Amino acid sequence: QIQLLQSGAEVKKPGASVKVSCKASAYTFTSYGINWVRQAPGQGLEWMGWISGYNGDTRYDQKFQDRVTLTADTSTTTAYMELRSLRSDDTAVYYCARGSASDYRSNFDPWGPGTLVTVSS
Amino acid sequence: EIVLTQSPGTLSLSPGESATLSCRASQSVSSSYLTWYQQKPGQAPRLLIYGASSRATDIPDRFSGSGSGTDFTLTISRLEPEDFAVYYCQQFGDSLTFGGGTKVEIK
Repeated sequence: QIQLLQSGAEVKKPGASVKVSCKASAYTFTSYGINWVRQAPGQGLEWMGWISGYNGDTRYDQKFQDRVTLTADTSTTTAYMELRSLRSDDTAVYYCARGSASDYRSNFDPWGPGTLVTVSS
Repeated sequence: EIVLTQSPGTLSLSPGESATLSCRASQSVSSSYLTWYQQKPGQAPRLLIYGASSRATDIPDRFSGSGSGTDFTLTISRLEPEDFAVYYCQQFGDSLTFGGGTKVEIK
């Protein structure tokens, strides 16, 4: 069964960084990409960016371009999302979701269970 | 950026009734690039409909999608208790954006 397993909840102070992992299993990691989507409490879905599992190409939403870095380790089939200079409004559940290997524009299936990141002083 | 506007914000219905959810795009979107997701409380979203009208794996046939251009519709016939959830549309014809969601709640 295809699965994306995410790292556990984090509590960070404003100005800090957070790195969330997403381990893929039961499919060929290099044949797909990984997207990152966040959801603030009670809010909708917000796409952050994409990384190709095939060649490491990335694409970021303009809103996050200066603060987020996506990486992928094909040897461990794990993708990472690092968000820097955290603010209170970065408090959200962060999801990884499988997408296309060649283009950030695709359906997302499946999704990881999500990682709650809380930013609080 | 294409803005997707979903309506209504909340739909209050009883089990057995039908639900019609709207997703309107600020610019034309190819049907191939319009997707619907379902999200239940405390869970991650799940792919429901892709290509505007194709059901994803294991999605029951009471879910159907239709539309073209700027107007797309998700229809749920004969609501089951497990269908009460939030539904999001997504487009990836021009960059990638999500609609704000429609909550289908039990009346």
